[in-house]
Amino acid sequence: QQQVKQSPQSLIVQKGGISIINCAYENTAFDYFPWYQQFPGKGPALLIAIRPDVSEKKEGRFTISFNKSAKQFSLHIMDSQPGDSATYFCAASWDNYGQNFVFGPGTRLSVLP
Amino acid sequence: DAGVIQSPRHEVTEMGQEVTLRCKPISGHNSLFWYRQTMMRGLELLIYFNNNVPIDDSGMPEDRFSAKMPNASFSTLKIQPSEPRDSAVYFCASALGGRTDTQYFGPGTRLTVL
Repeated sequence: QQQVKQSPQSLIVQKGGISIINCAYENTAFDYFPWYQQFPGKGPALLIAIRPDVSEKKEGRFTISFNKSAKQFSLHIMDSQPGDSATYFCAASWDNYGQNFVFGPGTRLSVLP
Repeated sequence: DAGVIQSPRHEVTEMGQEVTLRCKPISGHNSLFWYRQTMMRGLELLIYFNNNVPIDDSGMPEDRFSAKMPNASFSTLKIQPSEPRDSAVYFCASALGGRTDTQYFGPGTRLTVL
């Protein structure tokens, strides 16, 4: 019940295309859903996050869609660029508390020029 | 701010040796987390400190692992003795009051145990 499932494991997209990564959770106590971006040799960096009181959050080319009833959330990267090539992790926590933090297994995104 | 600083960035050691990983959190952050990242298990939280006090070490895999935070600007993760299955990337992260929306990760230490 503590798990966060993530798919696909890897994704190849052409430049300018839309990248979509999906996550699902079971624990209804989760109330904070961030996405992290990790480049090779670097630590994960917070990209965008959402709380369950909204269904969508957009920051630039990055959008989180949240479906509370289905217990699913997804990251959409519009106009994908080669510089977006990285590993993306979804995560979930309750009370916005790092001790309660659970990460998905990650999606390796490659954006072809 | 320099961000979270970890050292060394790479460590290669032989089985049975003691390994010490170091972390300097962001100044002003009072929470510190140690994570381990492997292909098989992804990112796992090992231990969490708040105000230099270990709050939850339930993620520490075995007694061979220990962590300390002697002051607000320094923490260590020690493995003694090390085993090949400890090979992973170890990340330190710091935050304000444990809040995940203020959490910043360091660059990690890639540990290889031969």
